[in-house]
Amino acid sequence: EVQLVESGGGSVQPGRSLRLSCTASGFSFDDYAISWVRQAPGKGLELVSLIRNRAYGGATDYAASVKGRFAVSRDDSKDIAYLQMNSLKTEDTAVYYCARGGGSGYYLFDYWGQGTLVTVSS
Amino acid sequence: QSALTQPASVSGSPGQWITISCIGTSNDVGKYDYVSWYQQHPGKAPKLIIYDVSKRPSGVSNRFSGSKSDNTASLTISGLQAEDEADYYCASHATSGTFWVFGGGTKLTVL
Repeated sequence: EVQLVESGGGSVQPGRSLRLSCTASGFSFDDYAISWVRQAPGKGLELVSLIRNRAYGGATDYAASVKGRFAVSRDDSKDIAYLQMNSLKTEDTAVYYCARGGGSGYYLFDYWGQGTLVTVSS
Repeated sequence: QSALTQPASVSGSPGQWITISCIGTSNDVGKYDYVSWYQQHPGKAPKLIIYDVSKRPSGVSNRFSGSKSDNTASLTISGLQAEDEADYYCASHATSGTFWVFGGGTKLTVL
């Protein structure tokens, strides 16, 4: 069974950092891109970052709203993807989901984690 | 890139059918057949219900169907059921940015 489990969310002050993890199981992790999609309270979905698999050079993309502050990475030996979030702003407050796909020739998000809440507030 | 345009809400009675539109541009919906639709119940993660414009993942009811014409994609739900009440989001591969753009979401109410 394919599973994605996010962890690392919490409450932080503006300007601080947080690292989210997405632990995968049930599929060949290194065959797929992993995307991070966030949803602010009462709002829609926004893809903030994705990382392709090694076959696609592990290339990364970022939304303009987080470029230069967030960094996505993956450890294929552990089946984990990470989202390092620096210089957090109040507008980064959201539930963060990781999802399988979005790149590496796989143009859909077919499995999602349960989400982890990030609250940025003073 | 700008978000895809969806109606904020739609409604229908049990047994009826509804259609949700998703309007994009020639740089996303109009350019690629990589349009997907997601259903989200309150407090839950999104669930894929349509991909590649009109394909259904295994286990998704055939009451859900998708189509595309020019820069507009559509999701049709036939034989509405109470359990279909949820938010629905479209997404499309795009030519720039993160190469993905989502719609703003549509709240479906089953009367």
